[in-house]
Amino acid sequence: GEDVEQSLFLSVREGDSSVINCTYTDSSSTYLYWYKQEPGAGLQLLTYIFSNMDMKQDQRLTVLLNKKDKHLSLRIADTQTGDSAIYFCAESEGYSTLTFGKGTMLLVSP
Amino acid sequence: AAGVIQSPRHLIKEKRETATLKCYPIPRHDTVYWYQQGPGQDPQFLISFYEKMQSDKGSIPDRFSAQQFSDYHSELNMSSLELGDSALYFCASSSNTGEDTEAFFGQGTRLTVV
Repeated sequence: GEDVEQSLFLSVREGDSSVINCTYTDSSSTYLYWYKQEPGAGLQLLTYIFSNMDMKQDQRLTVLLNKKDKHLSLRIADTQTGDSAIYFCAESEGYSTLTFGKGTMLLVSP
Repeated sequence: AAGVIQSPRHLIKEKRETATLKCYPIPRHDTVYWYQQGPGQDPQFLISFYEKMQSDKGSIPDRFSAQQFSDYHSELNMSSLELGDSALYFCASSSNTGEDTEAFFGQGTRLTVV
């Protein structure tokens, strides 16, 4: 079945870059997403990438996709304390439901 | 910009009671998804609807049912509630025919069963 895996925790200092990694198993995945969830809040779509792309940049966010290794990463440049949250990687096959990873808790210290 | 609206935001019910959660998708979105997120867990897919028809089914208990209405809003009906149903319930919407093929989530309904 489909499986999405992420490291559970990442701690960085303010101003540093953060890199959150994700691996997935479904070779039929066509969309890969990053969602941010702050405590007690909803899921905020940060960015997504199509499987035929290998990189996407959106302001401080850079998504890298290695389709051969089924590896996705999210780089946050100049990480701020407001970036502290749980980041979920998710994949879908076409217009279908999302399969989420367990989430990576990012803690940014001043 | 309009977002996905869920109501209520918080709900407290006793065991064996019923609950109805509502979701109003982004205008012109034709697909609605329901997810359940237990404490400290990742969201788990329950059920989805496309153009008012059930399109996919995940780990939704038989005690739960859902539908999408003619105005595209959706309701998740939960009966015989159990303590383990306490979770954050998210609705998401997308458009299979328009530009928003990615899913946008609502703020969620926090259900507490006591």
